[in-house]
Amino acid sequence: GAGVSQSPRYKVAKRGQDVALRCDPISGHVSLFWYQQALGQGPEFLTYFQNEAQLDKSGLPSDRFFAERPEGSVSTLKIQRTQQEDSAVYLCASSLGQGGIGYEQYFGPGTRLTVT
Amino acid sequence: KQEVTQIPAALSVPEGENLVLNCSFTDSAIYNLQWFRQDPGKGLTSLLLIQSSQREQTSGRLNASLDKSSGRSTLYIAASQPGDSATYLCAVTGGSYIPTFGRGTSLIVHP
Repeated sequence: GAGVSQSPRYKVAKRGQDVALRCDPISGHVSLFWYQQALGQGPEFLTYFQNEAQLDKSGLPSDRFFAERPEGSVSTLKIQRTQQEDSAVYLCASSLGQGGIGYEQYFGPGTRLTVT
Repeated sequence: KQEVTQIPAALSVPEGENLVLNCSFTDSAIYNLQWFRQDPGKGLTSLLLIQSSQREQTSGRLNASLDKSSGRSTLYIAASQPGDSATYLCAVTGGSYIPTFGRGTSLIVHP
């Protein structure tokens, strides 16, 4: 079946603009994660959903970042008033089980955000 | 807070060599450890998932071992090929249910 998809693949935003990044997880996957990956670094956790419930948002860097998964499938990560330090690749991953336990995580191709 | 370290940060080898990539973690109370590869500009592809009760997993030319008590995992790549060139990342999941990633090992296998 289809894997995790993300859109757009590339986004250029002017500083101060709002952006919305979309993630379509694998159908039936309970868990959904958002990560931020800077160049040359590993992915850094942003937030985690179990179905429609946002169980952990401790990794969101500021209140300009907001994520939702209203029906327990598609998720959107929104960044308000973008800043240059928000430039990174935003990765989405889904998993069949609870959190990162027991089951593999499957990643989307990422959205590369550049803030000018 | 869990910290994951991967050594070496970069590796360049001729084709055919057997390789060992290392991953260490500070908190041994983990549920599982997962190895990924990442090609430039792409997302992560899962290679192997080791549960905390397991000692190793194998897939083709890849073998991953886990020593929870010492906080270490190794990824062994046999008979490396140019197509193995990528960044290899490990991620551990502990009590918070949230995976923590290392920075990765950048591997180049030259013909």
